Amino acid sequence: DIQMTQSPSSVSASVGDRVTITCRASQGFSSGLAWYQQKPGKAPKLLIYAASSLQGGVPSRFSGSGSGTDFTLTINSLQPEDFATYYCQQANSFPLTFGGGTTVEIK
Amino acid sequence: EVQLLDSGGGLVQPGGSLRLSCAASGFTFSRDAMSWVRQAPGKGLEWVSGITGSGGNTYYADSVKGRFTISRDNSKNTLYLQMNSLRAEDTAVYYCARQMVYANPYFDYWGQGTLVTVSS
Repeated sequence: DIQMTQSPSSVSASVGDRVTITCRASQGFSSGLAWYQQKPGKAPKLLIYAASSLQGGVPSRFSGSGSGTDFTLTINSLQPEDFATYYCQQANSFPLTFGGGTTVEIK
Repeated sequence: EVQLLDSGGGLVQPGGSLRLSCAASGFTFSRDAMSWVRQAPGKGLEWVSGITGSGGNTYYADSVKGRFTISRDNSKNTLYLQMNSLRAEDTAVYYCARQMVYANPYFDYWGQGTLVTVSS
């Protein structure tokens, strides 16, 4: 199974900041990685798929990059609605696995 | 508009059984693979099981293999998860999720979730 390790587990940031979240895979793969945003009491929302493709309707301040074992989600100019928990998910092989999550909190 | 409506959760004793349902609408259900993803209280996301559009192939996490069975009825646009031999660690909100039409399984639509509590 491919294990996904996210860092940091939480980050405090202010509106307008740039935030970077990293996801490291226990085995390398090309681009089968997604990023989701989840707010309390709500279902996750797909932000990025195939490591760097922006899902329709998602603001362009969100971007993804990486391949192999290291992947990154960047949020440019953090907005109030971006305070949430973010998860990566590997879609390279079954069983599908998620990272442990990164909570973006208001500083 | 794509909609997924999860139902069937509740309180069940350890060792008991429960069947979850996910009613789909707004897309060609039989075309799309589907999965169940769960989230224990205060914890992260865990993929549980997946099934292809035809139902011909199924996949399971090791933690539920042999206890849970995923199935679908394409004539009713409904996804199911039969959960047997339930344990306390199965307590979670269970979401059904649609796999987007793509080479890899990414989830573009999710149900609202249904809470399963395993406790005596």
